[in-house]
Amino acid sequence: DAGVIQSPRHEVTEMGQEVTLRCKPISGHDYLFWYRQTMMRGLELLIYFNNNVPIDDSGMPEDRFSAKMPNASFSTLKIQPSEPRDSAVYFCASSLYMGLAPYEQYFGPGTRLTVT
Amino acid sequence: ELKVEQNPLFLSMQEGKNYTIYCNYSTTSDRLYWYRQDPGKSLESLFVLLSNGAVKQEGRLMASLDTKARLSTLHITAAVHDLSATYFCAVELKPPSGGGADGLTFGKGTHLIIQP
Repeated sequence: DAGVIQSPRHEVTEMGQEVTLRCKPISGHDYLFWYRQTMMRGLELLIYFNNNVPIDDSGMPEDRFSAKMPNASFSTLKIQPSEPRDSAVYFCASSLYMGLAPYEQYFGPGTRLTVT
Repeated sequence: ELKVEQNPLFLSMQEGKNYTIYCNYSTTSDRLYWYRQDPGKSLESLFVLLSNGAVKQEGRLMASLDTKARLSTLHITAAVHDLSATYFCAVELKPPSGGGADGLTFGKGTHLIIQP
């Protein structure tokens, strides 16, 4: 199993540019999560999907951020326009819900975004 | 609003010693997770704890959950240098709809340094 795949692994862009981060969840998983990690704010949930449908986007910082999941094997997180304060590591995670049984969220390697 | 507090945030200890990391959370939760993160890396799942009194062990690490006290502990026995990392606890709430998975709320992490 390849695990959760994210691309690019590193992204450096200038303020005002559009940035698109990509995620391929583990095959068969029905939940996909986007998190952001910064030194100041730690790990924060941005948005998550269940069966490709957004369930909770209350963590999305502002309208500059948008996320889509057009099918079960692909999701994007877009920032337009980007700002220096968006610099962070963005993680995608996926899980297979199993009710009362223990299940895990598996994290991808992350995308390190630097906005100059 | 769910709050997750870990302590200590920084811990330097010698090999062979025992120590405990504490994780308190503010709202009744269905499940609690412990993750490990090495510098510049992603999050690795260590334990998923579901019920009151749950105890899980893997090597020198043991995690427990007391849902009445809203407290989880991660105990390190006879620490070795390879356990140096940042350890996060995370809490998952049940979604408002009553079923399914939810995103995780993370503590700030405990940066653990184990000196040979």
